[in-house]
Amino acid sequence: DVKVTQSSRYLVKRTGEKVFLECVQDMDHENMFWYRQDPGLGLRLIYFSYDVKMKEKGDIPEGYSVSREKKERFSLILESASTNQTSMYLCASTPGTANPGREYFGPGTRLTVT
Amino acid sequence: LAKTTQPISMDSYEGQEVNITCSHNNIATNDYITWYQQFPSQGPRFIIQGYKTKVTNEVASLFIPADRKSSTLSLPRVSLSDTAVYYCLVVRTDSWGKFQFGAGTQVVVTP
Repeated sequence: DVKVTQSSRYLVKRTGEKVFLECVQDMDHENMFWYRQDPGLGLRLIYFSYDVKMKEKGDIPEGYSVSREKKERFSLILESASTNQTSMYLCASTPGTANPGREYFGPGTRLTVT
Repeated sequence: LAKTTQPISMDSYEGQEVNITCSHNNIATNDYITWYQQFPSQGPRFIIQGYKTKVTNEVASLFIPADRKSSTLSLPRVSLSDTAVYYCLVVRTDSWGKFQFGAGTQVVVTP
C-alpha cells in the first residue's frame, strides 16, 4: 500500500514565524503536490514537483515556497506565517503518467496561525 | 481542464442507493472522469475512474453516457460510514496531477 505521511496532524504557530510542513512518500513516486483545503473552496493547488529539485507553481503559490531535495520528500515552507494561512494542508503523490488521475493523499496537517 | 458541477449535498438513509451526478460539458477527448471520497480530517481517497460506459469496483459504480458530458457515481446500499464528501474530477491524461477539485458533494447517511 502506498503511504504518504505528513510530519504533523496539528500545528499552531504565531504570525511571522517560519513554518515547515514535511511530506514523505514511500512508493518512489515522481510527482508530489501540496494543496490547502478551506471550507467552501475545495482543494487548491499550491505547488507541485515532478522531479527532484524541480517545482512548479500551482494556483495559489503566494506566501509559500517548496523544497524537494530527495525524491521521497517534499516540504512546504511558509516564510512568514499569516492568519490567512490557517488551513488544512494536504500532500499528495502520483507515480507519473502510469496512473493518470490517481493521487495518493496524506492525512493532512491542520495549521492554525494566531 | 473541464469544469465540473455537482450537487452541494445529498441525504440518504442506510441501505439505500445514492447516485451523484456530475456535469462536465467541456470534457475533452483525452480526459478521464475520476471520483474521490474524503472523510473528515483525512485526505481524499481515490474511488473510481472511467472513460466511457460503465465501470464497477468493490466500492462504487460509475456510469458515463456516450456524450461524456456528465457522469453518475452510484454507491449501492450505503451505510453510516459512507458519510463523506465526494469529488468529481476531470483529469487530462497528460496532466499527471494538476487536478481541479471543486467543492464536492457532502453525502450524509442517517439510520
